Amino acid sequence: AQTVTQSQPEMSVQEAETVTLSCTYDTSESDYYLFWYKQPPSRQMILVIRQEAYKQQNATENRFSVNFQKAAKSFSLKISDSQLGDAAMYFCAYRNPDYGGSQGNLIFGKGTKLSVKP
Amino acid sequence: DAGITQSPRYKITETGRQVTLMCHQTWSHSYMFWYRQDLGHGLRLIYYSAAADITDKGEVPDGYVVSRSKTENFPLTLESATRSQTSVYFCASSESTPGAGESYTFGSGTRLTVV
Repeated sequence: AQTVTQSQPEMSVQEAETVTLSCTYDTSESDYYLFWYKQPPSRQMILVIRQEAYKQQNATENRFSVNFQKAAKSFSLKISDSQLGDAAMYFCAYRNPDYGGSQGNLIFGKGTKLSVKP
Repeated sequence: DAGITQSPRYKITETGRQVTLMCHQTWSHSYMFWYRQDLGHGLRLIYYSAAADITDKGEVPDGYVVSRSKTENFPLTLESATRSQTSVYFCASSESTPGAGESYTFGSGTRLTVV
């Protein structure tokens, strides 16, 4: 079964600085999808960024970018120019491209709580 | 407005009582999911549904029952609530089959406390 590991329970960054959140995963599949979700205190789960494993280019969404290392099974999230509104819980998630059963469901890491200092 | 709504947002219930958490989506998404979120565990899948009248167990299904008589509704029932079921529950939906790589859309969650 696939697993997702976030080794940093908490992280802190100074406003306007850059921070990187780590995520590793375990799979025997060659094709899959990876996601980062943000969960602010409102509890809402917000998709930050998505990466297809077959794409070599790292995904980027404004101040958010990923470093996808397929061989190392690593999928880190970099937040540039951190803002107070970035403070939240961040979840890394994996999804298997399977057309049946539970194999295609999202599997989440345990999360990293990011604090942003003014 | 279109979207996925969960109710109630907060619920306190007593041990042994039956409680139902509601989930309604307006997109006619085929796939719907129930997750629970606990500190130190992230989100874990309870049940999912690929279409109306098709449901299947996830990682932590014990003590829960689901039904899906209509595409838009996916209620989660705790038949006899226990304190270990105190958690935040999220409903989610997905437009396409898992292989399409689509993300999920989540509801706002229900915080359930069992006393």
